[in-house]
Amino acid sequence: SYVLTQPPSVSVAPGKTARITCGGNNIGSKSVHWYQQKPGQAPVLVVYDDSDRPSGIPERFSGSNSGNTATLTISRVEAGDEADYYCQVWDSSSDWVFGGGTKLTVL
Amino acid sequence: QVTLRESGPALVKPTQTLTLTCTFSGFSLSTSGMCVSWIRQPPGKALEWLALIDWDDDKYYSTSLKTRLTISKDTSKNQVVLTMTNMDPVDTATYYCARIRYYGSGSYSGFDPWGQGTLVTVSS
Repeated sequence: SYVLTQPPSVSVAPGKTARITCGGNNIGSKSVHWYQQKPGQAPVLVVYDDSDRPSGIPERFSGSNSGNTATLTISRVEAGDEADYYCQVWDSSSDWVFGGGTKLTVL
Repeated sequence: QVTLRESGPALVKPTQTLTLTCTFSGFSLSTSGMCVSWIRQPPGKALEWLALIDWDDDKYYSTSLKTRLTISKDTSKNQVVLTMTNMDPVDTATYYCARIRYYGSGSYSGFDPWGQGTLVTVSS
């Protein structure tokens, strides 16, 4: 089965840049989607197809994907960005797969 | 505006069958490329994909749970139903439904949007 590996936690000071990684075997050949989930709320899609943003998502959210690592980058981090973030791909043998999630803490 | 809403029992007993309904608006499951999926999240844990049904009534299930899951749709009512048999306390989770689109050539969009989720507790 296909496995996505995320760091359990990332901490960043306000105004700085946060980078959350998602590791998977040859993940660069797949489309990666990223979700933000705040406590008690449903996940929200913040980046799709590696680097595109749905309407209403700030430009501060961006994504990249190459080799064995995809990265969600949040620029000029705000207190309101504190949340859990999940990566997700579709794999022909495993169907839809989520990473274990990363808790972003804004210091 | 696309919306989805989950409904079902908040509490089920071990060994019982869970039936959840996803009622959606703003799109039709008879439109080519449209799909609805179920995803769950145990308290404090990660998201887990469960099942998907597409516009053509094709169905896909999590390998680890496929013997217990059934997904179906009622296009006229804009509803998707998930049943899970032989419930166990480890199945305690918030269950979400979400829309997803098929682009073609084995490529899918992300899950967007999601319903608010419904918490199901399995306990005697």
